[in-house]
Amino acid sequence: GAVVSQHPSWVICKSGTSVKIECRSLDFQATTMFWYRQFPKQSLMLMATSNEGSKATYEQGVEKDKFLINHASLTLSTLTVTSAHPEDSSFYICSGTGSSTNEKLFFGSGTQLSVL
Amino acid sequence: GEDVEQSLFLSVREGDSSVINCTYTDSSSTYLYWYKQEPGAGLQLLTYIFSNMDMKQDQRLTVLLNKKDKHLSLRIADTQTGDSAIYFCAEGTAGNKLTFGGGTRVLVKP
Repeated sequence: GAVVSQHPSWVICKSGTSVKIECRSLDFQATTMFWYRQFPKQSLMLMATSNEGSKATYEQGVEKDKFLINHASLTLSTLTVTSAHPEDSSFYICSGTGSSTNEKLFFGSGTQLSVL
Repeated sequence: GEDVEQSLFLSVREGDSSVINCTYTDSSSTYLYWYKQEPGAGLQLLTYIFSNMDMKQDQRLTVLLNKKDKHLSLRIADTQTGDSAIYFCAEGTAGNKLTFGGGTRVLVKP
């Protein structure tokens, strides 16, 4: 299957700082990237959808000014958590899809964010 | 809106078969997926089925789809300890966002 590389795998930051998470499609062009958030023992909640070269579409209740998503190329999307607070601590997972993946989604390995 | 439901937990003995069930509500789904998640890791696509199919087999995995009842199942034959994980079913249309079930935690006992 297609490979999506996500890093960092885990990050600890102080409250009020910003954290950037990168998601790269290594062997396919990801025309669409999805960003999910997962709380312990819960399912994945979609945060936003980004198409390459366009502004991201955010799900209801997700603050676009807090969770900045950039999808400037067909192989890279980033999620920046700005002015992080302890309640932003979570597991964040990206996924990508494109024409060569037959529209199936392939996921990154996730980033565990802990805000102190 | 879409809703996908799964049972929370399944315990199975090593060597037995596991069956994980899932129900969904969106009749316009094009694809139905099964993903596996191990602790602290991302999701691994196990298998998928087109909505116009009723069965798909891939080595130890068998997916059954009852489109009339909107019921999807994943059968794992000869379950191994390495199969212990959380399994998510998801439904979606081509290229669009997926709706995930809550996940079924599978515990394989030796």
